[in-house]
Amino acid sequence: DTEVTQTPKHLVMGMTNKKSLKCEQHMGHRAMYWYKQKAKKPPELMFVYSYEKLSINESVPSRFSPECPNSSLLNLHLHALQPEDSALYLCASSQDGREGRSYFGPGTRLTVT
Amino acid sequence: AQSVTQPDIHITVSEGASLELRCNYSYGATPYLFWYVQSPGQGLQLLLKYFSGDTLVQGIKGFEAEFKRSQSSFNLRKPSVHWSDAAEYFCAVGRMDSSYKLIFGSGTRLLVRP
Repeated sequence: DTEVTQTPKHLVMGMTNKKSLKCEQHMGHRAMYWYKQKAKKPPELMFVYSYEKLSINESVPSRFSPECPNSSLLNLHLHALQPEDSALYLCASSQDGREGRSYFGPGTRLTVT
Repeated sequence: AQSVTQPDIHITVSEGASLELRCNYSYGATPYLFWYVQSPGQGLQLLLKYFSGDTLVQGIKGFEAEFKRSQSSFNLRKPSVHWSDAAEYFCAVGRMDSSYKLIFGSGTRLLVRP
């Protein structure tokens, strides 16, 4: 199974809502990532978890809160978002920091109204 | 600082024609280089990667790329393009520390004429 799954595929939320994005992989990978991608732009790294510990936070606003409950799951909790946070949110995983091959999920298309 | 440049925002080729997408990088050490493809509204799929060894790398879907250290380039090629190759292509450079980080280029959108 070489797949990274993400739910939901689409999400519309108001600025006062709280929601969560979920990501799952069963490849035994120990590094997992959240990226944000705006239209016609490359993905931008938000967070990296390595062996279930947060190792990189790219100065992301606190209204985005990542969580790695176990080695297969990665969540992104959203609260009090702004319309400019509307984007495609991509999850990825890799064997560990050394292999260098990331598998990406299909993404969650988030719209903040 | 590391950076990746994809000088072509759009490229249009006819189906069956050959393709070359350009990628130049700036990196202080030997880079780890990647090409990803993204269809509209989809995630990214790895086409190929270069870590070391043979500078001509074969990937999936008939793509190949050549690492040229002297030119700091990692151009992607395909001898005959299919309509299904129309997508956004991203070159990326990575560093291999305890949690590696990919630096992406701005992307090249490939359009295929029938």
